[in-house]
Amino acid sequence: EAGVAQSPRYKIIEKRQSVAFWCNPISGHATLYWYQQILGQGPKLLIQFQNNGVVDDSQLPKDRFSAERLKGVDSTLKIQPAKLEDSAVYLCASSPGPSLAGGPRDTQYFGPGTRLTVL
Amino acid sequence: GEDVEQSLFLSVREGDSSVINCTYTDSSSTYLYWYKQEPGAGLQLLTYIFSNMDMKQDQRLTVLLNKKDKHLSLRIADTQTGDSAIYFCAVTTDSWGKLQFGAGTQVVVTP
Repeated sequence: EAGVAQSPRYKIIEKRQSVAFWCNPISGHATLYWYQQILGQGPKLLIQFQNNGVVDDSQLPKDRFSAERLKGVDSTLKIQPAKLEDSAVYLCASSPGPSLAGGPRDTQYFGPGTRLTVL
Repeated sequence: GEDVEQSLFLSVREGDSSVINCTYTDSSSTYLYWYKQEPGAGLQLLTYIFSNMDMKQDQRLTVLLNKKDKHLSLRIADTQTGDSAIYFCAVTTDSWGKLQFGAGTQVVVTP
């Protein structure tokens, strides 16, 4: 079974530029997550999709970050304009989900991530 | 909000057992996970435990859960150099499967 695919793997941009990341989840997984992982920290959830609807975007800085999941499969995360503090690894994960009680259907599988450096 | 705490660093000799500890605050967490992250890679799911269990064993991995103390641990038996990585504890925080992660424990295995 193919895993979660992400591209690009690395991106270097200058502040105030825009950037976009792409994610292709595991086939058949209904739930897709975007995380931001700053160096030395655990991943922090930015946005969670259930099919093509947003379940949780409470920690997404909506003034500069946007995400979409067209047709409930692939997803893109965009930053416009980027700031220095956006330098991080952006991880995409997917799960079969949901399960109202929580459980193995919610188990998240992660892609390799995109390392963003903002200069 | 939910807090998940882990010690930052663990050094262990090859062949010994490693024990990585995690504490959390939300007593309603249903599932608790351990992930492994190697340099430049995403997070690899190692194992998980349901909150009504005290222990789960999976080959060299043993997970212990103390719900009263909100303490989770991961024991790796016969630690190998390939086990050197950062290990993250994560707990579910809602019915949609949202995870709260700890900051990770860096495990260094020495020959």
